[in-house]
Amino acid sequence: DAGVIQSPRHEVTEMGQEVTLRCKPISGHNSLFWYRQTMMRGLELLIYFNNNVPIDDSGMPEDRFSAKMPNASFSTLKIQPSEPRDSAVYFCASSFRDRGEKLFFGSGTQLSVL
Amino acid sequence: GESVGLHLPTLSVQEGDNSIINCAYSNSASDYFIWYKQESGKGPQFIIDIRSNMDKRQGQRVTVLLNKTVKHLSLQIAATQPGDSAVYFCAENKFSQFYFGTGTSLTVIP
Repeated sequence: DAGVIQSPRHEVTEMGQEVTLRCKPISGHNSLFWYRQTMMRGLELLIYFNNNVPIDDSGMPEDRFSAKMPNASFSTLKIQPSEPRDSAVYFCASSFRDRGEKLFFGSGTQLSVL
Repeated sequence: GESVGLHLPTLSVQEGDNSIINCAYSNSASDYFIWYKQESGKGPQFIIDIRSNMDKRQGQRVTVLLNKTVKHLSLQIAATQPGDSAVYFCAENKFSQFYFGTGTSLTVIP
């Protein structure tokens, strides 16, 4: 099992640019979560999907953030336009919700918006 | 509102000693708890979990204690090793969502 795969590992961009983060969950998992981690706020849940459907996006900070899950093996988190305060590590995690199982995290994407 | 908080932001222990990391949670409806370990540059890794119908669970060198009366969770690491140096998070699960504490940084002194 390759685990949760995120890309890119690092992203440096300029303010105003569009950023797309990608995630491939563990095969067979039916829930996918996007988290943002900063020193000040710790791990914040942005959005989560169950069976490819967004269930709760109340953690998405602004309309500049959007997430999609077109199929069970792929999800994207997009920021458009990006701002310096979006700089953080973004983690994707997956689980098998119906068994109430633990989250498995990817290695994260370190985003720096200059 | 819901919150998961840690009592100690940093903890330093001598190699070989036991470590105890504490966590307070606020939501009585939470029924599942997990401890994660996060090393620098990596994502959180599962250590041990416990459901609300238990008060203690043991793993390899780790023990999680759950006190539902005072809504307190602790992680005990026996014979702490340098490789245990990391940030440790507790997480509570309510309605299929996980809420994370702010983390405790554990430093093991050789």
